[in-house]
Amino acid sequence: EAGVAQSPRYKIIEKRQSVAFWCNPISGHATLYWYQQILGQGPKLLIQFQNNGVVDDSQLPKDRFSAERLKGVDSTLKIQPAKLEDSAVYLCASRRLAGVQRRNEQFFGPGTRLTVL
Amino acid sequence: AQTVTQSQPEMSVQEAETVTLSCTYDTSESDYYLFWYKQPPSRQMILVIRQEAYKQQNATENRFSVNFQKAAKSFSLKISDSQLGDAAMYFCARTYSSASKIIFGSGTRLSIRP
Repeated sequence: EAGVAQSPRYKIIEKRQSVAFWCNPISGHATLYWYQQILGQGPKLLIQFQNNGVVDDSQLPKDRFSAERLKGVDSTLKIQPAKLEDSAVYLCASRRLAGVQRRNEQFFGPGTRLTVL
Repeated sequence: AQTVTQSQPEMSVQEAETVTLSCTYDTSESDYYLFWYKQPPSRQMILVIRQEAYKQQNATENRFSVNFQKAAKSFSLKISDSQLGDAAMYFCARTYSSASKIIFGSGTRLSIRP
């Protein structure tokens, strides 16, 4: 079974520029998560999708961040315009079942390291 | 409060020795899962071990075991016979919101001395 795929692996941009990250979850996984991991910290949930609907985006800075999951499969996370404090690793994770399914774990992709200059 | 606390930013252990990483958490839920994840320099988060809160028996996975103290809200990870490949960031985490979400601690960087 293929794992969670993310691209690009690295991205360097100037502040105020735009950037987009792509995630392809494990086939059949209904739930998809985007996390932001700032250096020296644990991952922080930005947004959670169930199929192609948003379950939780309470931690997403909506003035500059947006995300979508078309057709309930791939997802993109966009930052426009980027700020210096957005420098972080962006992790995508997926989970097989939706709702209260305690035993199924989240599987993580390799992440995208974003540097904003 | 929804928190997971790892009080050891860095730990170091001699190869083949045993090391214990500490974690405490807070939760108002009665049913939840606890995890230890390993994150090597490749950034891939790898699940090391999982503990169901309703189980009293401590989980074990080969050289990895936990000491789960539910009343104290403590969940430590013991790595026996440490190997060079164990060097990584280790994150303690627990589920919330009916186990559909995970909250992570700030991590402990483990180094292995040859």
